[in-house]
Amino acid sequence: QQQVKQSPQSLIVQKGGISIINCAYENTAFDYFPWYQQFPGKGPALLIAIRPDVSEKKEGRFTISFNKSAKQFSLHIMDSQPGDSATYFCAASIKTARQLTFGSGTQLTVLP
Amino acid sequence: DTGVSQNPRHKITKRGQNVTFRCDPISEHNRLYWYRQTLGQGPEFLTYFQNEAQLEKSRLLSDRFSAERPKGSFSTLEIQRTEQGDSAMYLCASSLEGGVDEQFFGPGTRLTVL
Repeated sequence: QQQVKQSPQSLIVQKGGISIINCAYENTAFDYFPWYQQFPGKGPALLIAIRPDVSEKKEGRFTISFNKSAKQFSLHIMDSQPGDSATYFCAASIKTARQLTFGSGTQLTVLP
Repeated sequence: DTGVSQNPRHKITKRGQNVTFRCDPISEHNRLYWYRQTLGQGPEFLTYFQNEAQLEKSRLLSDRFSAERPKGSFSTLEIQRTEQGDSAMYLCASSLEGGVDEQFFGPGTRLTVL
């Protein structure tokens, strides 16, 4: 059972544009929602994370928007750069369970 | 570089052979996780250690898989009688108890079973 659904599967954005990736979850016990960035041949690297007690978190060009009632969260990348071209994964975990449940990933391409 | 190292980075083996991977977590991290990632998919949880104790195992972890973390430092993941379906990237992550659940991933070991 896929507990975290991610869309779109792929995304192409022009340099300077806004990239938006969406995730929806089913398990209301999830209480930690990170986003990871992965380059080919590398392990995932944590970008930004949020807990359900806030609706938005911003770090530099990256913003997470969180809608608890809709069980949805999204990643916004402002002023997208070619160096942002990578695969992005949303994830969720339950504090008592520890393991991360990942979405299926979004391959982002930022055109120069 | 997150500070989590994995060896080997690549492993090619024939079906039926046994393989063993090693993960060295960030030195002060007492939690260690193994995940498996197939092409085009997100990582899937396999197992989790707190210090030397293996606290959780996924249903994905068949009897052919075994993981250890002696002395609560490095960990090994062994796959016995490998099958072609075992071909994947095996990722290790570590985190610090009492932290914010932030897991740092290693570069992974790419396994190809011929």
